[in-house]
Amino acid sequence: NAGVMQNPRHLVRRRGQEARLRCSPMKGHSHVYWYRQLPEEGLKFMVYLQKENIIDESGMPKERFSAEFPKEGPSILRIQQVVRGDSAAYFCASSPIAGYSSTDTQYFGPGTRLTVL
Amino acid sequence: DQQVKQNSPSLSVQEGRISILNCDYTNSMFDYFLWYKKYPAEGPTFLISISSIKDKNEDGRFTVFLNKSAKHLSLHIVPSQPGDSAVYFCAASASSGAGSYQLTFGKGTKLSVIP
Repeated sequence: NAGVMQNPRHLVRRRGQEARLRCSPMKGHSHVYWYRQLPEEGLKFMVYLQKENIIDESGMPKERFSAEFPKEGPSILRIQQVVRGDSAAYFCASSPIAGYSSTDTQYFGPGTRLTVL
Repeated sequence: DQQVKQNSPSLSVQEGRISILNCDYTNSMFDYFLWYKKYPAEGPTFLISISSIKDKNEDGRFTVFLNKSAKHLSLHIVPSQPGDSAVYFCAASASSGAGSYQLTFGKGTKLSVIP
């Protein structure tokens, strides 16, 4: 069952360190989305990528955050110089195509829980 | 500004009875709605969706109703089972315009089904 894979599942960083979160989409899916969930909140859209392209990063904080989805390998969400406020669950989703219909449903991975000490 | 609202943080229902989870939205551009179920320490699992051209969609024990004029949708689970105990998220997207693929989520409703 090749669902959306994320690793690591848990990541602890000290303030000022870098965090790298990885996401492998479902087989056959070429669209990747990253969402962040703060405690007691819903998921919030961060960025949408296709292979080698960032399509929409309107939900990304302007500084310290970046994302990529290279031709080969997983999508990476990178947070530089982490601060305590970055502590959250980060979820990756994938879909076969983008848009809306029953075939474009976004399927989520298990998430990476980032804790910044 | 919360565009998708789930006003009940929690709901308790007896096993075998109906669970009704509610969701309201404010953005008139939303025309596709989804419900996700989430267990602790796991990612959201897609349950059921509905587009704005319909007012009802059914899949087994799960039915979603959409009232466009009221900007309201609800998820009915019948009969409720203890395994349904989870947090349920309502999500919405717009088919056109910038960011049409973005899902906007509510804060979730924690459903507890009591055996």
